[in-house]
Amino acid sequence: GAGVSQSPSNKVTEKGKDVELRCDPISGHTALYWYRQSLGQGLEFLIYFQGNSAPDKSGLPSDRFSAERTGGSVSTLTIQRTQQEDSAVYLCASSPGGDPKYFGAGTRLSVL
Amino acid sequence: GQQLNQSPQSMFIQEGEDVSMNCTSSSIFNTWLWYKQEPGEGPVLLIALYKAGELTSNGRLTAQFGITRKDSFLNISASIPSDVGIYFCAGLNYGGSQGNLIFGKGTKLSVKP
Repeated sequence: GAGVSQSPSNKVTEKGKDVELRCDPISGHTALYWYRQSLGQGLEFLIYFQGNSAPDKSGLPSDRFSAERTGGSVSTLTIQRTQQEDSAVYLCASSPGGDPKYFGAGTRLSVL
Repeated sequence: GQQLNQSPQSMFIQEGEDVSMNCTSSSIFNTWLWYKQEPGEGPVLLIALYKAGELTSNGRLTAQFGITRKDSFLNISASIPSDVGIYFCAGLNYGGSQGNLIFGKGTKLSVKP
């Protein structure tokens, strides 16, 4: 497709399990961003990639969260030992440069 | 941490009316962005502002970067039903890396035909 694709669209997991969320950016976009959106709230910055490197990962809430990007394309956000407070919609955006312009529809994560 | 105050939280208006919403910050920003989000989708960038005093239009939407660098507003003229959604402002601090945006909590717009 032409847009940012995220998978899965929904994920239900048990507390303590690990989860992986995937983002396929628009082809050729060098910048990739991850955000988290809790119910009724604005977006919260997690991490930003330029190519395969992450100049700013200051928004990751704890060391249970990590992200990588390979080939300047696909990115994976991993949450280890999930907690109930991790429940949220995780949004990915890509851009040819500069501000996050194109967002995916997100992955809705529910931790039981 | 830093916060953006976005108001109003919600608006319920008649089709054809004009709409105004704003965001204020306690600190100076060098970029203001306005997004619209519809249910089940990611935000869509509407307008980006990079200079104090800048006034930019996108169709029926107009946004301004306040001269104090601590506020921004978004106006929608002659609203139509498809304007329904949640509008978010977002700001970038001086020295902040791109993408490390601070978001407001959104203004939920409902339009009655």
